[in-house]
Amino acid sequence: ETGVTQTPRHLVMGMTNKKSLKCEQHLGHNAMYWYKQSAKKPLELMFVYSLEERVENNSVPSRFSPECPNSSHLFLHLHTLQPEDSALYLCASSQDRRGGNYEQYFGPGTRLTVT
Amino acid sequence: DAKTTQPPSMDCAEGRAANLPCNHSTISGNEYVYWYRQIHSQGPQYIIHGLKNNETNEMASLIITEDRKSSTLILPHATLRDTAVYYCIFRKGSNDYKLSFGAGTTVTVRA
Repeated sequence: ETGVTQTPRHLVMGMTNKKSLKCEQHLGHNAMYWYKQSAKKPLELMFVYSLEERVENNSVPSRFSPECPNSSHLFLHLHTLQPEDSALYLCASSQDRRGGNYEQYFGPGTRLTVT
Repeated sequence: DAKTTQPPSMDCAEGRAANLPCNHSTISGNEYVYWYRQIHSQGPQYIIHGLKNNETNEMASLIITEDRKSSTLILPHATLRDTAVYYCIFRKGSNDYKLSFGAGTTVTVRA
């Protein structure tokens, strides 16, 4: 059973709406991630937070805004999205050990549909 | 990133061992082999990883060839719940956050 939870599981929003995705990890990890998975495409890394500091931002449009208030919570704020942003948004967490290796644990995802 | 090659699909009988191959001839010395799987409409699930030695955990075994150019994930007693897409990927040991998933192998376990 995953220790990473995501809410909501499904979201339908219009292009002018503002919504937020929430992720919470119960594993005591110190790094959290947002990924996007579109139909027929590989997983795309969007953002990485380690020790609550953003360490990676893979050229993601500004209409996606992440927030990491503490090591257990991660948000993805959405505004003025496009239909092509419809996808499964996955949150993951891991233990970030500098110089070491670590596995990422994923949540169930939020299925987002932009109309 | 090193590239992996996996068969697009395979079938397996319930209760039998499932052997999933992965070729990675361009892997470098500091890259770990990771296996994840993704059951339909769920998030990816970590299975196992290794560098040089064979590894075993409660889910699977990982056999890495001596030259590290290929590996095999073994599910010892496949169940219907093991039906999923299985991904073989590589990651460097440090400061490498990105998981580069390819197309993977779609494994269907049949009763």
